[in-house]
Amino acid sequence: EAQVTQNPRYLITVTGKKLTVTCSQNMNHEYMSWYRQDPGLGLRQIYYSMNVEVTDKGDVPEGYKVSRKEKRNFPLILESPSPNQTSLYFCASGGVGIYGYNSPLHFGNGTRLTVT
Amino acid sequence: GNSVTQMEGPVTLSEEAFLTINCTYTATGYPSLFWYVQYPGEGLQLLLKATKADDKGSNKGFEATYRKETTSFHLEKGSVQVSDSAVYFCALSGGADSSYKLIFGSGTRLLVRP
Repeated sequence: EAQVTQNPRYLITVTGKKLTVTCSQNMNHEYMSWYRQDPGLGLRQIYYSMNVEVTDKGDVPEGYKVSRKEKRNFPLILESPSPNQTSLYFCASGGVGIYGYNSPLHFGNGTRLTVT
Repeated sequence: GNSVTQMEGPVTLSEEAFLTINCTYTATGYPSLFWYVQYPGEGLQLLLKATKADDKGSNKGFEATYRKETTSFHLEKGSVQVSDSAVYFCALSGGADSSYKLIFGSGTRLLVRP
């Protein structure tokens, strides 16, 4: 079954304690991205990756890191989490062609992060 | 930059009522337009899309037409069901400055009562 798998689904942590949210896709997609969802703001892009070892900032990258060492995995790293990073996070993947997406984005089921 | 504006929710309807959720966009160039749906506890799923002006996307009884002259992509359904209760997001990609970025509206929650 084609899917994007995020872990964990729920995470409660304290300010400053490093954490990693994992994301894996089994569709051989080149493109992967992280979004955060906040009430009234929709989804905002944090980072994205066009392929292995190719990553770039989205609209709200401050306080986050990513890496793309393998095509299937795209972890999101919070080196020193703060309460304003409390949010619902989604990973997504998609195929790309010359003119942009050539497949719809597939989303994981989300990770609800609370930073106290 | 590019942006998407959706009507505020929640939208509450009775079963079999007609649904319209308004979406307008600002973009340079020729973006593609999408509607995604988010059911409780799940990630977003593509509902329908349109890639050029006057295209109509449709799926599961939902429709939306890409109107370049009014920069709109309103979502419609003739007869909603309780199972349509979800959050709906309008989005765009492509255009002059966002080829690989999907820009979302703020989402509209739909609640359908039996």
